[in-house]
Amino acid sequence: GAVVSQHPSWVICKSGTSVKIECRSLDFQATTMFWYRQFPKQSLMLMATSNEGSKATYEQGVEKDKFLINHASLTLSTLTVTSAHPEDSSFYICTYLAGVNEQFFGPGTRLTVL
Amino acid sequence: GENVEQHPSTLSVQEGDSAVIKCTYSDSASNYFPWYKQELGKRPQLIIDIRSNVGEKKDQRIAVTLNKTAKHFSLHITETQPEDSAVYFCAATQAGTALIFGKGTTLSVSS
Repeated sequence: GAVVSQHPSWVICKSGTSVKIECRSLDFQATTMFWYRQFPKQSLMLMATSNEGSKATYEQGVEKDKFLINHASLTLSTLTVTSAHPEDSSFYICTYLAGVNEQFFGPGTRLTVL
Repeated sequence: GENVEQHPSTLSVQEGDSAVIKCTYSDSASNYFPWYKQELGKRPQLIIDIRSNVGEKKDQRIAVTLNKTAKHFSLHITETQPEDSAVYFCAATQAGTALIFGKGTTLSVSS
C-alpha cells in the first residue's frame, strides 16, 4: 500500500509558540489530502480539505488563521499550529486521497502544549 | 453534510463470541463505507470496506453489511480473539471527499 509519513511524530511546545507538522506521501502523488485531529478518547474530526496549489477549505469551527495549511506539491503538505495553547493538544493525522475513495493515513503527530 | 452515528460506544465479549457494531449515515450520496481499527497512539487501520453497490462483504472473521435503504451498515467479527481488542471506527464518504467518522466503539475481548 501507499506510504505516508508525518514529522514530527510527537512534539511538546510552550503555549504561544508555533508548531509545523509535515505530511509526505512517499511513493505516490495525490492532489487532495485531509487533516484531522483526534482528542483523547474521541473520534477523528475533519479540520480541512486541501488541494495542491489551492487554498484549503476549513471545517466550521476551525480557525484558518490559527491552523495554516500549505499544500505546495503533490507529495508534501504542512500544517502549522500558530500561537498554540493547551486546548490545541491533540493527535493530528493527515490522509491522502488515492483514487476515488481510498485514503492513506499518516502515522499521526502527538502535540502537547504546555 | 454527512453525519455518522455509531453504536455501541463500548462492547465487551468473551473470546470466541461474535461482536457487532452498527452505524447509520445521513447523506444518501455517500457510497463508500470503510471500517477502521485503531490501537492506542496509532493511526487507524483499514480492516474492511464496502461500496454502495454491494450488500455484504466478508474477509475471514470480519464481515460488513450495508442497507442503503435504511442507511445503515454493520461490522461483524466472529470468533473474537483478545488481539481484536481496540477502538473501531466506521466512516462514510463519497467520491473525492473526506471521511466522516462515527464516534467509535471500544471493543474488549476477554479470555
